[in-house]
Amino acid sequence: AQSVAQPEDQVNVAEGNPLTVKCTYSVSGNPYLFWYVQYPNRGLQFLLKYITGDNLVKGSYGFEAEFNKSQTSFHLKKPSALVSDSALYFCAVRERGNAGNMLTFGGGTRLMVKP
Amino acid sequence: ETGVTQSPTHLIKTRGQQVTLRCSSQSGHNTVSWYQQALGQGPQFIFQYYREEENGRGNFPPRFSGLQFPNYSSELNVNALELDDSALYLCASSLTGGLAGAIGELFFGEGSRLTVL
Repeated sequence: AQSVAQPEDQVNVAEGNPLTVKCTYSVSGNPYLFWYVQYPNRGLQFLLKYITGDNLVKGSYGFEAEFNKSQTSFHLKKPSALVSDSALYFCAVRERGNAGNMLTFGGGTRLMVKP
Repeated sequence: ETGVTQSPTHLIKTRGQQVTLRCSSQSGHNTVSWYQQALGQGPQFIFQYYREEENGRGNFPPRFSGLQFPNYSSELNVNALELDDSALYLCASSLTGGLAGAIGELFFGEGSRLTVL
């Protein structure tokens, strides 16, 4: 069975500093990996995905993520954090061969960016 | 905005009752998934519909059922409500999908918050 772990419930960073939100996964075979963001009282918004190819994936709002197969990780990064980046971030995985878009999500990490 | 709309936004039910939640997919999307997000947790996959048929299901009992209509809108029905069913129910549509396992990012609605008393 596939699973996702986000080891940090909350990440605090000062505005302008780089940020990293950690994610590790467990899946049979090669994974499809995703990051979503959730603002208060809203649904989830897609940020980026890794399907194949370059291990560094660039997404929306200046975010990027690095796929590391040996460490089974897919950490989310941004070179310079903004206060408006404060939100709840979810990592998700999908096994190749699964029908459609059945994603398994991690428990989420709350990002707090302070001015 | 994703173009996915859900109704109602909030509702309160009592144990044992039944509830129907509705979702209108983004134009052009043919796959609808439903997720349950309990407070403080990540979303959990309930099931998915493609071409009006269920083609994937998570670890949810049969009292959770759904429909997809020819216009790709969808319903989630929950019978015999339990207290633990209290959650945010998210609908997601996607352009690609189906039995071949095509990949597509999900476009989520803002959810229906269900409280069971």
